[in-house]
Amino acid sequence: NAGVTQTPKFRILKIGQSMTLQCTQDMNHNYMYWYRQDPGMGLKLIYYSVGAGITDKGEVPNGYNVSRSTTEDFPLRLELAAPSQTSVYFCASSYSGTGTDTQYFGPGTRLTVL
Amino acid sequence: GQNIDQPTEMTATEGAIVQINCTYQTSGFNGLFWYQQHAGEAPTFLSYNVLDGLEEKGRFSSFLSRSKGYSYLLLKELQMKDSASYLCAVSSQTGANNLFFGTGTRLTVIP
Repeated sequence: NAGVTQTPKFRILKIGQSMTLQCTQDMNHNYMYWYRQDPGMGLKLIYYSVGAGITDKGEVPNGYNVSRSTTEDFPLRLELAAPSQTSVYFCASSYSGTGTDTQYFGPGTRLTVL
Repeated sequence: GQNIDQPTEMTATEGAIVQINCTYQTSGFNGLFWYQQHAGEAPTFLSYNVLDGLEEKGRFSSFLSRSKGYSYLLLKELQMKDSASYLCAVSSQTGANNLFFGTGTRLTVIP
C-alpha cells in the first residue's frame, strides 16, 4: 500500500492564480481530510469528507473548495491564490469517523503564493 | 471553542526521560491523540487515549485525565532520532473524527 499520496510536493503560485492539490489514498478509507500547517501553528482543518459525494467545512474553509467523486481521491482547489494561503497542506484519511480512529497523513504539499 | 496548549520547545539528554504536557478545553471529547512530526515530514501516529489512565507502547506512554483536561506523553530512553515535534490533538466532534491540534512541542535531544 502506498497509503496517502499528495501531488505536487512543492509549488509556487502568483497572486490570483488557481491550482488543485491532489490527494489519493489506497486504504479504502471512508473519511478524508485537508489540513494546513503554518509555521509555529497547529494543523488547522480546512475541509473533510465522510464518503464519496459528501463534504463539509472545517475550521478554515475560506478560499478553498473540495470535491469527492470517488473513495480514493479528495482534491483541494484554490481559486484565487492569496499570500495568506502560503502554507504546508496535508491530506489525511481514516477508516471511520469514530473518536478513536487513527488518521494517516500524506507527505504534504508546500505552497508559496507570491 | 477549542483550546489546546502545550510547551513550545523542550530539550532533553540522550538516554533520559522526558514528559510533554498538553492541556485542553474543548466543547466535546471523543479522544486525545499524540503525533510525531519530524522536520519537513508528515505527522505520524504515536498513541491515543479515550479513557483515563496510562497507555504504554514501548518507549512511549501517554496519560489522560479527562476531569482535568490534561494529558502527557512520556518518552523513555531518549534517542537522537526522537528529536521532532510532538503534536497533541483532540477529537471532539460527535459523528466525525475531526482533530483539533495544539501548536506542537519541538523536542531537541542532545548527546
